[in-house]
Amino acid sequence: KAGVTQTPRYLIKTRGQQVTLSCSPISGHRSVSWYQQTPGQGLQFLFEYFSETQRNKGNFPGRFSGRQFSNSRSEMNVSTLELGDSALYLCASTSQGGVAEAFFGQGTRLTVV
Amino acid sequence: GQQLNQSPQSMFIQEGEDVSMNCTSSSIFNTWLWYKQEPGEGPVLLIALYKAGELTSNGRLTAQFGITRKDSFLNISASIPSDVGIYFCAGQLDSNTGKLIFGQGTTLQVKP
Repeated sequence: KAGVTQTPRYLIKTRGQQVTLSCSPISGHRSVSWYQQTPGQGLQFLFEYFSETQRNKGNFPGRFSGRQFSNSRSEMNVSTLELGDSALYLCASTSQGGVAEAFFGQGTRLTVV
Repeated sequence: GQQLNQSPQSMFIQEGEDVSMNCTSSSIFNTWLWYKQEPGEGPVLLIALYKAGELTSNGRLTAQFGITRKDSFLNISASIPSDVGIYFCAGQLDSNTGKLIFGQGTTLQVKP
């Protein structure tokens, strides 16, 4: 069974630009969550999607948004990038909403210059 | 917001030694999880704990869910060089959401 796949693995963007990251969950998993990982703040929850609906949202500005498609694949978008958005963005999938056992992808390393 | 206090922050041990790390919180968690992360990779799930007082093993790893549901520990016995990495505890507050709260991590280094 394939794991969680995130694309791209690495991105370099300029301040003010926008970026879209993609996540394909484990086959059959319906819930996708996104996390931001930085050395200073650690792993911080961004949002969770289940059945194409956002179920929960972390404490991030509105520049961070996401969506989920009918095949459970998810995208997250960051608009008007700031230097502080440089981080590892991780996607995790669970079999259904509310299940704790989350399986993570390798992440997308975003660098904003 | 909710926080998990994980300790120690880092450990440097000799191969063959046992390791213990723990997480505490002022909040009651529904589920506790332990993850390991290696450089350039996402966290990998090691152990999941669902019941207060539950003790679960996975090979050389043993984890326990505290009776009060506010703490958990992870033990690694007879450490080996491939145990190197960052270990995270994570808690689920609400069973209706997949949202996890993570500790700050324990960096483990093992000297052969």
